[in-house]
Amino acid sequence: EPEVTQTPSHQVTQMGQEVILRCVPISNHLYFYWYRQILGQKVEFLVSFYNNEISEKSEIFDDQFSVERPDGSNFTLKIRSTKLEDSAMYFCASSEGREASETQYFGPGTRLLVL
Amino acid sequence: GDSVTQMEGPVTLSEEAFLTINCTYTATGYPSLFWYVQYPGEGLQLLLKATKADDKGSNKGFEATYRKETTSFHLEKGSVQVSDSAVYFCALSTKLDTGRRALTFGSGTRLQVQP
Repeated sequence: EPEVTQTPSHQVTQMGQEVILRCVPISNHLYFYWYRQILGQKVEFLVSFYNNEISEKSEIFDDQFSVERPDGSNFTLKIRSTKLEDSAMYFCASSEGREASETQYFGPGTRLLVL
Repeated sequence: GDSVTQMEGPVTLSEEAFLTINCTYTATGYPSLFWYVQYPGEGLQLLLKATKADDKGSNKGFEATYRKETTSFHLEKGSVQVSDSAVYFCALSTKLDTGRRALTFGSGTRLQVQP
């Protein structure tokens, strides 16, 4: 069964450093998403991406964040200058379409720790 | 804005016990409702979904009914197994200003099933 994959599974970085989190969505999916979950809190929507551009973003997704689809398979989330509060589990997801009933398929997540 | 409220965990049950995890929501319009499950060390997996009022989603012995009148989507299983131990997330599809959708999650409920 096709699945979303994410690398790395864990990342430790120093405050102020740049990190890139990588995702490979399911191959025939057209919509891609990033969510995050700060420890003990809810899973929160960050951004969605379609047709090589951001479709919508939440208020969390500020100028420190960017997303890119550098080739036909990868989908990346970049945090330019990490802050302590960026420590969280980051989930990538993809879906075939954008209807309300569409299932979003999630990857296993990348646990980011900013020191 | 849209929100999802789940019962606090952890929920600890003996094998073969009956499970209910409560989920209520606040949303404008008619969202689709989802239950996702996260097994230890894995990503979020769709367990079941319902896309309109009175629909019942079911999978692997779990079921949930979309109750518009009580704005609820409670998860039930008649006889839990040790292998059901996981974190369960209730979610709804939120309509964004653009008309597109993102998922709004509850805080998750950890289920522990003891032999």
